[in-house]
Amino acid sequence: EVQLVESGGGLVQPGGSLRLSCAASGFTFSSYSMHWVRQAPGKGLEWVSYVGSGSGVIFYAGSVKGRFIISRDNAKNSLYLQMNSLRAEDTAVYYCGREVFYGGLDDWGQGTLVTVSS
Amino acid sequence: QSALSQPPSVSGSPGQSVTISCTGTSSDVGNYDRVSWYQQPPGTVPKLMIYEVSNRPSGVPDRFSGSKSGNTASLTISGLQAEDEADYYCSSYTTSSTFVFGGGTKLTVL
Repeated sequence: EVQLVESGGGLVQPGGSLRLSCAASGFTFSSYSMHWVRQAPGKGLEWVSYVGSGSGVIFYAGSVKGRFIISRDNAKNSLYLQMNSLRAEDTAVYYCGREVFYGGLDDWGQGTLVTVSS
Repeated sequence: QSALSQPPSVSGSPGQSVTISCTGTSSDVGNYDRVSWYQQPPGTVPKLMIYEVSNRPSGVPDRFSGSKSGNTASLTISGLQAEDEADYYCSSYTTSSTFVFGGGTKLTVL
């Protein structure tokens, strides 16, 4: 069974940093591209970042480019999102997702809540 | 990259069909067949319903179908059931090498 488990969320002050993790199991992690998607409270989905299976290809949404860094450790079956210079508008539930089909995320974690507030 | 445009809400009675539109531009929906649709009932995680415009993952009922014409993609749900009530989101790959979601559509089964 495919499992994706996010962790690392919490309350952080504006300008602060946080590192999210996504632990993967039940599939060959190194064979799949992965995404981070976020959802602000009561709002819609917003794509955040993408990393290819071998980390050679990385994309970011314009709203986080230059502040967030996506990475993965295939030996540890883990995906990460380093979030710096956090703003109130970054407050959201952050999901990791596995891309099984082109652009289609067939598996999602349960999400981890990040709250940016003073 | 602006969000894809979806109607805020649609509704239908059990057994009826509804269609949700997703309008983008020639830089996203119109340029790629990497359009996906997700279903998200309240308090749950998004579920992939359609990928690459019109393909259904295993386990998704064939009542759900997708299509695309020009810059607009569509999700059609036929034989509407109470369990279909949820928020629906489209997404697309873009020429900027990013992905973009639609604003979401709330489906109400009357």
